[in-house]
Amino acid sequence: AQTVTQSQPEMSVQEAETVTLSCTYDTSENNYYLFWYKQPPSRQMILVIRQEAYKQQNATENRFSVNFQKAAKSFSLKISDSQLGDTAMYFCAFSSISSGSARQLTFGSGTQLTVLP
Amino acid sequence: DADVTQTPRNRITKTGKRIMLECSQTKGHDRMYWYRQDPGLGLRLIYYSFDVKDINKGEISDGYSVSRQAQAKFSLSLESAIPNQTALYFCATSDPSAGSGANVLTFGAGSRLTVL
Repeated sequence: AQTVTQSQPEMSVQEAETVTLSCTYDTSENNYYLFWYKQPPSRQMILVIRQEAYKQQNATENRFSVNFQKAAKSFSLKISDSQLGDTAMYFCAFSSISSGSARQLTFGSGTQLTVLP
Repeated sequence: DADVTQTPRNRITKTGKRIMLECSQTKGHDRMYWYRQDPGLGLRLIYYSFDVKDINKGEISDGYSVSRQAQAKFSLSLESAIPNQTALYFCATSDPSAGSGANVLTFGAGSRLTVL
C-alpha cells in the first residue's frame, strides 16, 4: 500500500514571497502520478499540478512548480509570488497507474497555507 | 451547472438515523468515488465504482453502503449514523480513457455531515 506524508500541518508566507510545501511518499511501484490539490475555504478540491513519475522534467503551472525527486520519493510544491488567493489547504496525492489498479488517489494529511498581506 | 453535483451540501442528523448523500455528474465519466475528509487525516476512500455493475470497497467502507443507479449517479448511504461519521464527504469522477489524464479526479463541492 502507498502512503503519503505531509509533515507541515501549517505554514505562512508573506504576499509576493515564495513558499515550498513538502511531501514524501512510499511506494514499491515504478510508474505512478503525483498531484497537488488545493482546497480553499469554499472547500472545493482544485487540481493545482500533476507529475508523471516517468518524466524527469519537473512540472510547472504558472506560479506553481514541483521538485520531484524520484529516488528520494519526494514531491514538493513551490509557489512563487504568493497571492492572498493562494490561502488554502494543500493536499499531496499519489495514484498508481499499474494495470488493474483502481486509480484512486491516496492523499496526505494536508498543509494549511496562509498568505499574509 | 457544476460537473459533479452533491446533495445535500450540509446536513445535521441524529445518531441512528439513515442518511443518503447523492452525487450526479455530467462529465460522462465511468469511474466514481466517495471520499471522506477529516481534519489531520486528509481524504480517505470509502467506495468506488468503475461502471454501473461494479462496486468496490475502499479503505474505510465499514458503516457505509453505496448504489450506482446509472452512469451519472452514485449515492452513499449511512444506514445508522453515528457521531464519528461526522465529516466532509466528497464525490469524485475520473475518465479511464483520458490517457495521461486518467488519474485526474474531478470533485464535487462536498457534503458536510454532522451526526449528533
